[in-house]
Amino acid sequence: GAVVSQHPSWVICKSGTSVKIECRSLDFQATTMFWYRQFPKQSLMLMATSNEGSKATYEQGVEKDKFLINHASLTLSTLTVTSAHPEDSSFYICSARDLSGSGYEQYFGPGTRLTVT
Amino acid sequence: KQEVTQIPAALSVPEGENLVLNCSFTDSAIYNLQWFRQDPGKGLTSLLLIQSSQREQTSGRLNASLDKSSGRSTLYIAASQPGDSATYLCAVTFYNQGGKLIFGQGTELSVKP
Repeated sequence: GAVVSQHPSWVICKSGTSVKIECRSLDFQATTMFWYRQFPKQSLMLMATSNEGSKATYEQGVEKDKFLINHASLTLSTLTVTSAHPEDSSFYICSARDLSGSGYEQYFGPGTRLTVT
Repeated sequence: KQEVTQIPAALSVPEGENLVLNCSFTDSAIYNLQWFRQDPGKGLTSLLLIQSSQREQTSGRLNASLDKSSGRSTLYIAASQPGDSATYLCAVTFYNQGGKLIFGQGTELSVKP
């Protein structure tokens, strides 16, 4: 149980285009999902907290107009990188917190590698 | 500021050796602490979750301890194998942070045959 999927697993896009990444909790409901990015040889950095039915909360320094997050249902959150540039190339990972869980354990997706050319 | 630090940044050991990875955190008011494994280019694999009220958790050759008062956790790996080579990440859920996970920088482990 507690499986989180991400789609696509990798994507290459041209500079100036937009890319949407999906994060789904497959066997549980998640009121809260988190989006992280990871640069090579670095740790995960939290970008934003996504709550179902409400606006996402962005971490300091993350441009909310560039990284659009939508959490339309209890099992799906999407991250759209708008007008992507090469510096947005990174590994994007989502996680979801089980609504029925008693603690704050997060379950992670397999990640999406974005390359902007 | 609530931070998580891991030492060492990299570690290389011969196969069969027992080893310890260290994680420290700046605030003892935590919900839980998790240890993850990450293989190159891959996502995270959860290894062990220690709740605030627990002192340790064990899974196979892995044992994680938690000392909240000193702000430390250790991940003990017994009889290391080349397949254990990966980056190990420690992450903490602090109080009053909305359930966010704060990650350490990771320890890159290499187990030589």
